[in-house]
Amino acid sequence: DIQMTQSPSSLSASVGDRVTISCRASQSISNYLNWYQQKPGKAPNLLIYAASSLQSGVPSRFSGSGSGTDFTLTISSLQPEDFATYYCQHSYFTPPQTFGQGTKVEIK
Amino acid sequence: QVQLVQSGAEVRRPGASVKVSCKASGYIFSGNYMHWVRQAPGQGLEWMGRINPNNGVTNYAQSFQGRVTLTRDTSISTAYMELSSLRSDDTAVYYCARDHLLRSLDPWGQGTLVTVSS
Repeated sequence: DIQMTQSPSSLSASVGDRVTISCRASQSISNYLNWYQQKPGKAPNLLIYAASSLQSGVPSRFSGSGSGTDFTLTISSLQPEDFATYYCQHSYFTPPQTFGQGTKVEIK
Repeated sequence: QVQLVQSGAEVRRPGASVKVSCKASGYIFSGNYMHWVRQAPGQGLEWMGRINPNNGVTNYAQSFQGRVTLTRDTSISTAYMELSSLRSDDTAVYYCARDHLLRSLDPWGQGTLVTVSS
């Protein structure tokens, strides 16, 4: 199975900060990498698919990059509604489509 | 709009089984895989498996092999997840999610809390 490792596991940031979250796959997954945002008590919400494609309706301050094994989610200017937990997930051809362990973004 | 509505919360004894439903609307049900993901309290997301509603073919995570069964009823656009031999560590919120572009997951159901307790 492909393992996904996110870093950091948590971070503290202020409104307006630029935030970067990393995700590493245990083997090459091309661009089959997705990012989700989850707020407490809610289902996850797709932000980015195919490593860098912005899901419809998601603000443009969110962006994704990377290919192969190393990927990054960037929030260009953190907003109050962005405080949440973020997960990466691979969707390479063979299941299971494992998730990273999550990154909790907290208010500094 | 595309929507997934799941059945309500369940409480089960250890050793029992539970079956959760996920009713789809707003798209052609047989056209997209349906995935199931669970989240234990305070923990991360765990992919359980997926079903092709068109032909019923399933893929399961190894950790659930033999205990989970995914099925569907295309006549009512509903997918089901049944988990057997329940243990206390199966207490979690269970989500269904539709396969989207490049096998991303969107949208998600609202989640179903399954509590396993004696």
